[in-house]
Amino acid sequence: GAGVSQTPSNKVTEKGKYVELRCDPISGHTALYWYRQSLGQGPEFLIYFQGTGAADDSGLPNDRFFAVRPEGSVSTLKIQRTERGDSAVYLCASSIHSGRPYEQYFGPGTRLTVT
Amino acid sequence: SQQGEEDPQALSIQEGENATMNCSYKTSINNLQWYRQNSGRGLVHLILIRSNEREKHSGRLRVTLDTSKKSSSLLITASRAADTASYFCATDLEVTGGGNKLTFGTGTQLKVEL
Repeated sequence: GAGVSQTPSNKVTEKGKYVELRCDPISGHTALYWYRQSLGQGPEFLIYFQGTGAADDSGLPNDRFFAVRPEGSVSTLKIQRTERGDSAVYLCASSIHSGRPYEQYFGPGTRLTVT
Repeated sequence: SQQGEEDPQALSIQEGENATMNCSYKTSINNLQWYRQNSGRGLVHLILIRSNEREKHSGRLRVTLDTSKKSSSLLITASRAADTASYFCATDLEVTGGGNKLTFGTGTQLKVEL
C-alpha cells in the first residue's frame, strides 16, 4: 500500500521567503508527526497532531513555524521569513493512532535549502 | 535536543561480519526503538524494546537494553552490503495527547564492504 508521501522532495528558497511543505500520511492513520533533521544529526521532533488538533507543538523552534491539519489527514508545515538556519530535511511520520508504542512510518522527507 | 549518543559515529566492516552499535540516553524511558535510514530516504523502523525487556531478536538483529546504565546496543549479524545505512536509536517520551514523541540519537553510519 501507499506509504507516507511528502512534497516537494526538494525546495530551494531565498532568505526571507515563505514556504509550505506538505505531508500525506498513510490512510487511516490519525497521528501525524513532523521532525527536522540537520546534516549529520538525528531527527528532532517539531509537532504532533492527533486528528485535526496539534496535541504537542513544543518542538517548533519559534513563531515563524506553524503547521495545520484541517481535515485530519494531509498536513502542511509552514515557515515564514525563512532563515539560512532553517535549511534541513523535514520529515513527516504517521502512526495508526496515539498511544504507545505504535510504530511510526516515515516519509522520504523534504530537503529545504535557504540561500 | 538530542536524547543521546550513538557509538561509534561511523563503522566500516566486511560483508559477513557482525556490526555492533551502542546508544546511550539521558532520561527514563518507556521504550527504545532502532531505525535505519538509507541515504536520501526516510527512516525505517527496525525493532522496539520495552523498558522492562532486556533483549529482543528480529531476524539478524539483536537488541539489548540496560536501563540501569541507560544504554542499548544493536547487533547485526552476518552483515550484507544492503545493510549500509545510518542507524538511529530513539527513545519514546510521554507527550500531551498520548502520542509517542521520538527523541533520536546522533546515529551510527555503517558501511558494509564486499
